[in-house]
Amino acid sequence: QQQVKQSPQSLIVQKGGISIINCAYENTAFDYFPWYQQFPGKGPALLIAIRPDVSEKKEGRFTISFNKSAKQFSLHIMDSQPGDSATYFCAGKPSGSARQLTFGSGTQLTVLP
Amino acid sequence: EAGVAQSPRYKIIEKRQSVAFWCNPISGHATLYWYQQILGQGPKLLIQFQNNGVVDDSQLPKDRFSAERLKGVDSTLKIQPAKLEDSAVYLCASSLDGQGRNGNQPQHFGDGTRLSIL
Repeated sequence: QQQVKQSPQSLIVQKGGISIINCAYENTAFDYFPWYQQFPGKGPALLIAIRPDVSEKKEGRFTISFNKSAKQFSLHIMDSQPGDSATYFCAGKPSGSARQLTFGSGTQLTVLP
Repeated sequence: EAGVAQSPRYKIIEKRQSVAFWCNPISGHATLYWYQQILGQGPKLLIQFQNNGVVDDSQLPKDRFSAERLKGVDSTLKIQPAKLEDSAVYLCASSLDGQGRNGNQPQHFGDGTRLSIL
């Protein structure tokens, strides 16, 4: 069964600090790894995504680091802000449009002011 | 552009009753998804439509869940009869075209319907 394991379950960071969330996957057919951000009462929103042909992708304060050999990837939030407080989900998807997105269990991030 | 619209936002029913959820995807989006998100977990795909055809319903409990997208636009998800374990948020998402360059068109989610089973 396809699985994406995410850690930690919850994370508390001071304003201005770095938040790091880690994910590991099992299915070597995965070739698309998005991160979603979800605020309470809202649906998930795509934050940033990476394909395994690159080791790092940066968009503003958000960076994905990807280690294909270890089958691991992580989200780094630099200069974390209270507005970043949300639940973050990593996901993986095999190639092909008819293949489903498999989500991790989520990390609840709290950034203290 | 308008986002994915879902209704109702909340629904409370007793077990063994039936319930239906409605979704209107972003205009022009060919692919529509229904997810179940249980509290404290990530979304789990129930069914994926490409236009009005089913692409993947492997995780849909077909003995009680059904979904349709008759005209390739709006969709409804029905549960009959509901069980206690169906308490969850039901999310609808759409993407421009699941047949994109590498099949990885971003999925845009609605805010979901929170279902509570008493």
